[in-house]
Amino acid sequence: DAGVTQSPTHLIKTRGQQVTLRCSPKSGHDTVSWYQQALGQGPQFIFQYYEEEERQRGNFPDRFSGHQFPNYSSELNVNALWLGDSALYLCASRRDRNPLTDTQYFGPGTRLTVL
Amino acid sequence: AQSVTQLDSHVSVSEGTPVLLRCNYSSSYSPSLFWYVQHPNKGLQLLLKYTSAATLVKGINGFEAEFKKSETSFHLTKPSAHMSDAAEYFCVVSDQGGYNKLIFGAGTRLAVHP
Repeated sequence: DAGVTQSPTHLIKTRGQQVTLRCSPKSGHDTVSWYQQALGQGPQFIFQYYEEEERQRGNFPDRFSGHQFPNYSSELNVNALWLGDSALYLCASRRDRNPLTDTQYFGPGTRLTVL
Repeated sequence: AQSVTQLDSHVSVSEGTPVLLRCNYSSSYSPSLFWYVQHPNKGLQLLLKYTSAATLVKGINGFEAEFKKSETSFHLTKPSAHMSDAAEYFCVVSDQGGYNKLIFGAGTRLAVHP
């Protein structure tokens, strides 16, 4: 059973560019969340997708957007990249059966560097 | 609003000695609390979780944590450290008012010396 997978592993972009990161959830999971982990910090919640809609959002600007597909996979898009967007982007998935107790499983992350 | 505070940014122990990583939480509700571990260049792995059942929670790799409501603490312990335990550890609380959004502490880096 494959866990959460993310692609690409690493990415280098320049300021002003746009980037798309991808996530495939663990088998049987229907809810996908994205987190940003800056160097030396804990992950920060970006948003969560369920039934192909964004249903909760953290304190991130509109430059950050996402999508969930019918097969539950998800994309994170970031427009007009800043240097400060350099971080490890983590995807997490779970089943929505019991939101407060169902375990979230994390992927290995995508390391984004903005030059 | 929920939050967690990890009291030590770095902890250093010798192999075979006990490990204590400290975490205090703030929550308006009975919280769901977690400890995750992150090895270098790896994703986050769940060590253990507390969801209002037994207050002493046993996790993987010999780790355990005790939920103490009176002290608003959820400290992580292990009786005997192993070199492979060297990693970053995160104390996490679940957002009770939302859809299980996870709120992370700043992390504690555990170093294990021979």
